[in-house]
Amino acid sequence: SQELEQSPQSLIVQEGKNLTINCTSSKTLYGLYWYKQKYGEGLIFLMMLQKGGEEKSHEKITAKLDEKKQQSSLHITASQPSHAGIYLCGADRTGTASKLTFGTGTRLQVTL
Amino acid sequence: EAGVAQSPRYKIIEKRQSVAFWCNPISGHATLYWYQQILGQGPKLLIQFQNNGVVDDSQLPKDRFSAERLKGVDSTLKIQPAKLEDSAVYLCASSRPSRVGYTFGSGTRLTVV
Repeated sequence: SQELEQSPQSLIVQEGKNLTINCTSSKTLYGLYWYKQKYGEGLIFLMMLQKGGEEKSHEKITAKLDEKKQQSSLHITASQPSHAGIYLCGADRTGTASKLTFGTGTRLQVTL
Repeated sequence: EAGVAQSPRYKIIEKRQSVAFWCNPISGHATLYWYQQILGQGPKLLIQFQNNGVVDDSQLPKDRFSAERLKGVDSTLKIQPAKLEDSAVYLCASSRPSRVGYTFGSGTRLTVV
């Protein structure tokens, strides 16, 4: 089984709707990173969470890390076509911010 | 600040041929990573360099893959001979010794036919 599970695997939402993507780890995390990837391109860093209960926001995207540091959620408010892409969570299991282990990703489509 | 540069962007080769990818990290980033991302999957770490030394290459298929970072700056990843299952996007990333995540390049999409 995957050490880092993302759900859902894919998501189609209408523009303006809210959505949530989840990332669950089978092990305690030192840190959890969220990246966005456009098809066929590199990963763009969104946010990093380190402390249990931590929440960060950037524009219309909010990410949370639960108290036990084993689950994170990414919430997008009032989705726009520019939010479309693949969202990947990456786990820091060593405390050194190196050798991130990635989930399989959530593909988001935003329809007009 | 310039980003992580990778070339080529795309490469199509026949199986059993060899191929090489190049990466130039952000200036001053001591740590460099090569990841393999197969379609529909998350990136998988192949090798991690700290300056010109290998930190972790436990997931690198060493019978066919090799990587070097001779002067501690740019790096080359080579596959010889390529197999069909090597078709993937090869991502290079670099980082400082801090906890703000990597910076990724745009990747090289390899198709083995």
